[in-house]
Amino acid sequence: DTAVSQTPKYLVTQMGNDKSIKCEQNLGHDTMYWYKQDSKKFLKIMFSYNNKELIINETVPNRFSPKSPDKAHLNLHINSLELGDSAVYFCASSRGQGAYNEQFFGPGTRLTVL
Amino acid sequence: AQTVTQSQPEMSVQEAETVTLSCTYDTSESNYYLFWYKQPPSRQMILVIRQEAYKQQNATENRFSVNFQKAAKSFSLKISDSQLGDTAMYFCAFTGSRGGSEKLVFGKGTKLTVNP
Repeated sequence: DTAVSQTPKYLVTQMGNDKSIKCEQNLGHDTMYWYKQDSKKFLKIMFSYNNKELIINETVPNRFSPKSPDKAHLNLHINSLELGDSAVYFCASSRGQGAYNEQFFGPGTRLTVL
Repeated sequence: AQTVTQSQPEMSVQEAETVTLSCTYDTSESNYYLFWYKQPPSRQMILVIRQEAYKQQNATENRFSVNFQKAAKSFSLKISDSQLGDTAMYFCAFTGSRGGSEKLVFGKGTKLTVNP
């Protein structure tokens, strides 16, 4: 059983388009995250939600809007895609807030903006 | 702000040998958590080992162990009896313990290649 799943795994789109990436976890966790891994493999937090409430917004452009319909899902919508948005986006979840909670990662979504 | 530095962009080791990956970090917090994640070519992020800063004993997970030097803010990963399946990017990560949903702060990674 997949613990943290993301769809799609690959996404190729044109500049200016709007796209969404979905994330679901079946671990019963309260906290979910989005990370971005750039072309140099550097991973950086974008957002975190706890029980559907936004906790961390790490100075991400307004074109990125996370949505958490319930605590098992955290989707990422990106408006007006730019070339620089090309990256791998990872969703993660943890049992709760607090540094001692292990974060479990999804398989990643490779976004390519042409 | 916390920072994590991995000074070895790439390393290689012969199968069955031992290799050590370096990591240093900077923080003003007294309690925090450190992690090593592995990212094989499949792209999946896999937790290898973690260390709680208030624990003096170095964490060990089978062939993986850490050398945690709190005063020096150093957290190196030792892989013993290296296997071909250990070939991957390895990321050192930090998370603080001050309230709120803690984010992982990652180093830039070390690409490890295990040669047959």
